[in-house]
Amino acid sequence: NAGVTQTPKFQVLKTGQSMTLQCAQDMNHEYMSWYRQDPGMGLRLIHYSVGAGITDQGEVPNGYNVSRSTTEDFPLRLLSAAPSQTSVYFCASSTRLAGGQETQYFGPGTRLLVL
Amino acid sequence: RKEVEQDPGPFNVPEGATVAFNCTYSNSASQSFFWYRQDCRKEPKLLMSVYSSGNEDGRFTAQLNRASQYISLLIRDSKLSDSATYLCVVIFSSNTGKLIFGQGTTLQVKP
Repeated sequence: NAGVTQTPKFQVLKTGQSMTLQCAQDMNHEYMSWYRQDPGMGLRLIHYSVGAGITDQGEVPNGYNVSRSTTEDFPLRLLSAAPSQTSVYFCASSTRLAGGQETQYFGPGTRLLVL
Repeated sequence: RKEVEQDPGPFNVPEGATVAFNCTYSNSASQSFFWYRQDCRKEPKLLMSVYSSGNEDGRFTAQLNRASQYISLLIRDSKLSDSATYLCVVIFSSNTGKLIFGQGTTLQVKP
């Protein structure tokens, strides 16, 4: 299993450009999430999905769109990039273990710089 | 008040020391608790789950205090390789699988 994969690893954008961060998992996990990590802020949830066709907003959804057309893929779209979106983006997936304890698996991250 | 709070540190300790981190959470209905480890510029990885009765994994011990709404992580006999950021993670609802992260506590183990 490849686990959770993310592309690209690095990206530089100009303000106003759009792009899609790709995330895929091959573990047949129901839950997938996108986080951003900024210095001193910890990881903050952007959007999440509990299954194909179902998405919901997290803590910081503005400026981002997601879709979940398949179990495997959960792309994150930046509609019009802004310097405030400079961050490290992590995708994660999880399964439900017995007793309700979920284990989250993270992708390696995408480092985004918006100029 | 943040939903999950940690002392960011850094905690600087010598090899062989015992060090403890605490984490407080605001939602009394929280259902699941974890400690994740994150190395510099890497993705977070699960260190251990935290069970109500407390649990141990080698040199690491995790405790949960529901009454006071905090969890703790104890590391005994610290190794240089323990240097990392330790993230406290809480799931408020197992229906959504949403993880709420603390900002992390940085540990630096010195020779």
